[in-house]
Parts: sequence; structure tokens; C-alpha cells
Amino acid sequence: HVQLQESGPGLVKPSQTLSLTCIVSGESISSRNYFWSWVRQPAGKGLEWIGHIYSIGTTYNPSLKSRVIISVDMSKNQFSLNLTSATAADTAVYYCARWMFPQRYFDLWGQGMLVTVSS
Amino acid sequence: QSVLTQPPSVSGAPGQRVTISCTGNSSNIGTGHGVQWYQQSPGIAPKVLIYGNTHRPPGVPDRFSGSKSDTSASLAITGLQAEDEATYYCQSYDTKLNLFVFGTGTKVTVL
Repeated sequence: HVQLQESGPGLVKPSQTLSLTCIVSGESISSRNYFWSWVRQPAGKGLEWIGHIYSIGTTYNPSLKSRVIISVDMSKNQFSLNLTSATAADTAVYYCARWMFPQRYFDLWGQGMLVTVSS
Repeated sequence: QSVLTQPPSVSGAPGQRVTISCTGNSSNIGTGHGVQWYQQSPGIAPKVLIYGNTHRPPGVPDRFSGSKSDTSASLAITGLQAEDEATYYCQSYDTKLNLFVFGTGTKVTVL
């Protein structure tokens, strides 16, 4: 039974770095069948793809690319999101999600974590 | 940044059929990349209903069906049930913007 679980601070000060971790249980994060992704959703708004990490690299949303780093820790079977220079516009529920191959869809999601950027 | 346009809301009585449209362009839906549909209830992560335009993952009721034509896609829900009340998002990949894109979302209300 594969699960994803987000963790990290729920409150970040403006200009600081928003950092979240997604712990993957029940599946090896080194599997080549998946992209490990981050998606966010501001309150009352739609979904925005942030980026993903996979076996040979990372891909980011161009609008966030200058501020985003997604990394993986194989030893802990988890992947992380770092979003620098946070502003109030980054306040959202952040989901980690798994994009699977060959079917190509987000088949598994974490429960989501609300991160508020405020002083 | 939603490049996929959906109607804000649709409604129907229990047992009726409703459809949700998703309009894109030649850089996303109009490419070979498939369209996916997700259902999201308040406070809960999205759940996939349709992938690759028309395919249902295991466990998704056959009341949900998807279609695609040129640069648009549609989700149909037949035999509408109270539990179908949720927000639905389409999703694809945009080859010009180089990113995964989601639709604007459609709230389905069961009357």
C-alpha cells in the first residue's frame, strides 16, 4: 500500500525559503516508472504544477523555475521542495504526487499541506 | 496560469447526465499528449477519473467517461449521484510552455 505524506513548516516568513518533504512509503523512490511531483493549490483556486524529479533529472514550471529546487534523498525514500524568496502569493496547499508510466497520469497524491507565507 | 478553460459550474438532478468541457489549443490538447480528468472534494486531494482521453483506472465507475476532439475534451457523468458533487479538473501537457497544465475547474452541483 503506497502512500505519500508531506511534512514541513506550515508558516514561512516572506523572503524566506519554503521547504517541504514528501515521504514515500510502500514503493522505492528509485523506480523508473514514476515522476515524483509537487502541485500546489491556493485557497479557492485551481491546481498548479510546480515540477518533478525523476531518474535522470528534474523539470520545473517555467514561471517558478528561478526559485524552485526539487531534490531526492534515496536513503530516506523521500523527495523535497525548496521554493526561495517566498511571498504571500506562494500561500497554498502543497501536494506531493506521483506521475506514473506508461499510463501517464497522477495516480497517487499526498493529503496536502497548507503553507502560509506571512510575517 | 490555466491554459485549459472549463465552465465554472454545471448542475443536474440525480440520475441525469452532465458534461464538462475542457478547451485548449494546438500546443496542449491538440498534441498527442493525453487529457486526464480529476475529481476533487473539499479538503481532499484530487483523484483521477480518466487518463489518456478515454481510459478509466481500476475502481472508477463506468458512469464516468471521457472524450477528445481536436483541441477540446469532455468528461461525461451519467446517472448523476449525490457523491459526484465535487470540483473536476482536466489536465494535459503543453508543449509550447513546457509544463503540465490543469484546467480552471468545474464545480458540479447535484440538485
